[in-house]
Formats: sequence, C-alpha cells, structure tokens
Amino acid sequence: AQRVTQPEKLLSVFKGAPVELKCNYSYSGSPELFWYVQYSRQRLQLLLRHISRESIKGFTADLNKGETSFHLKKPFAQEEDSAMYYCALRDSGAGSYQLTFGKGTKLSVIP
Amino acid sequence: DARVTQTPRHKVTEMGQEVTMRCQPILGHNTVFWYRQTMMQGLELLAYFRNRAPLDDSGMPKDRFSAEMPDATLATLKIQPSEPRDSAVYFCASGFQGRNTEAFFGQGTRLTVV
Repeated sequence: AQRVTQPEKLLSVFKGAPVELKCNYSYSGSPELFWYVQYSRQRLQLLLRHISRESIKGFTADLNKGETSFHLKKPFAQEEDSAMYYCALRDSGAGSYQLTFGKGTKLSVIP
Repeated sequence: DARVTQTPRHKVTEMGQEVTMRCQPILGHNTVFWYRQTMMQGLELLAYFRNRAPLDDSGMPKDRFSAEMPDATLATLKIQPSEPRDSAVYFCASGFQGRNTEAFFGQGTRLTVV
C-alpha cells in the first residue's frame, strides 16, 4: 500500500529564513510525487511535481528514491508562503490515477 | 479558466438530516475524486470515479455515505443520516487519466453537523 508521511504538523520560520517541509513515502512501484498548497480558505492547487524539475514561487523539491523522500525547500521564506502544504503520491503505472496525500504541514512565516 | 465547481460552499445541518454535496468536474475530465479534510486526518480519499464508474470507495463509511455520478457533469456525495463527526471540508477534484495531468480541486463544501 502506498503511504505518504509528513512528520511535521506545524512549521514556523522567520521571514527570510530557509524552509524545508519534509515528505517521505512508501511505495513499491514507480511513484509520481507532487506538492499541493492550500492558502487560507482556498482550494488546493498544485505547486510542483517531481517530473517537471522546476522551481515554483522559489520552491524546489527533489525526489530521492534512495531515501524515499520528496522534501520541499525554499531558501528564503516570505510571509505569503504561509499556507498548508500537502505532499501527494500517484502510481505512475497504468491502471491507477489515485492520489494519496500526507496529512499536511502548516507553514507559518513570522514577519 | 475551467474550474471544478462545488455546491454548496457551506452547509450547517442538524444531526440525522440528509446532506447532499454536488460537484461539477471540469469538462472533458474522466476522473473524479472526493476527499474529506479534517485537522486531525488531513486529506482522506473517500471515493474515486473513472468514466463515471466507481473504482475505489473503500475510504467511505458505507452505512451512511454514498457517492454517485448520474452523468459526466455531476458527481454527488450524500450522507444520510449525518452525524457531528462528519463535520469537515469535503473536496471534489477532477483530472484526466492518461494525459499525465494534475488533479484540479474545487473550493470545497464546509459541512457542520450540530
């Protein structure tokens, strides 16, 4: 069974400090990993996915298959980054499109 | 700008009443998900449809919850009878399996059962 673990429920950092939101997964197949973000009382929206290898809003995430991790990083946090962040996994093989989410980490950036 | 639309946005109901939540997926998407969001559990998958057929509803309490797609433009999630522990935000998401696209989420229905 696939599982996504986000060990931190809440992460508080000062503005300008580096941010790392942790995500570990367990899955025996070939996973696709995503980060979704939910700003206050808004819908979830895709932040980035590992296959794109891009930086969105200054955030990056590298899939580490050896450590089964997909941590989200940003070198300098901004107040507008305060939100809920969800790591998600999808089986990239045929037959499934189901997204499994972690429980989320609430990021609070202190001015 | 195509979006997933959910109604109602907010619902307050008394324990024991029936609740129906509706979702209009993005036109052309063939996959629909229902998720429940709570502080304690985060996002839990309740049900998952492809081409209107239920593929996985193992996350849904069968005795009181039911999910259907009467047509390609409407997905419903019903709770009967509702209980206070059902209070949560219910999200619908749609996507297209086969095109490696993301899942797009609606704004959610905030349900409060008193």
